[in-house]
Amino acid sequence: NAGVMQNPRHLVRRRGQEARLRCSPMKGHSHVYWYRQLPEEGLKFMVYLQKENIIDESGMPKERFSAEFPKEGPSILRIQQVVRGDSAAYFCASSDTGQGYEQYFGPGTRLTVT
Amino acid sequence: QKEVEQNSGPLSVPEGAIASLNCTYSDRVSQSFFWYRQYSGKSPELIMSIYSNGDKEDGRFTAQLNKASQYVSLLIRDSQPSDSATYLCAVMRGSTLGRLYFGRGTQLTVWP
Repeated sequence: NAGVMQNPRHLVRRRGQEARLRCSPMKGHSHVYWYRQLPEEGLKFMVYLQKENIIDESGMPKERFSAEFPKEGPSILRIQQVVRGDSAAYFCASSDTGQGYEQYFGPGTRLTVT
Repeated sequence: QKEVEQNSGPLSVPEGAIASLNCTYSDRVSQSFFWYRQYSGKSPELIMSIYSNGDKEDGRFTAQLNKASQYVSLLIRDSQPSDSATYLCAVMRGSTLGRLYFGRGTQLTVWP
């Protein structure tokens, strides 16, 4: 399967715990994007990364959220000390270039905070 | 003013009809435009991209872009029940390359 892969598909965390979401881009893609979709809301951009670089993190909450895309391995979106408002679907997308090119989405991680 | 606006619908059309979905955007320097389809509980699926004024056709889908009016649309010909989904309009601005701005989506139902 050469598509964007995300894991886990479902994640349950208690308030105060940490959540780690992983994304492996489509083969040949070096640009990764994270989006969040809250219930009954649209998709919101969070962060844009290339290997070892954060290109645009203007959509990330200032606290508790971080993202990385290391030289080796998947991109990681990390949420520390989760709160119930973090419950959402988190989607990763990838593209072969950031300049106007098409983004393909993974299946998403559904995070539930109890 | 929202970056990207769509009629929320729901839009309901009979099988075989043409479904017309509309989207407006606020930033005049936007340069890339995309339509995604999202089934309930699933991830967005790219169905069309358009970068220049005019029409772009792909099978039963036609995207139309008018930059002067800041308007992009999607026509679905010969609509099928399997087309029933939420259609998301997404725009990429020239000043923030890579970042997609999404509309809230239009829910389409095609009834047999």
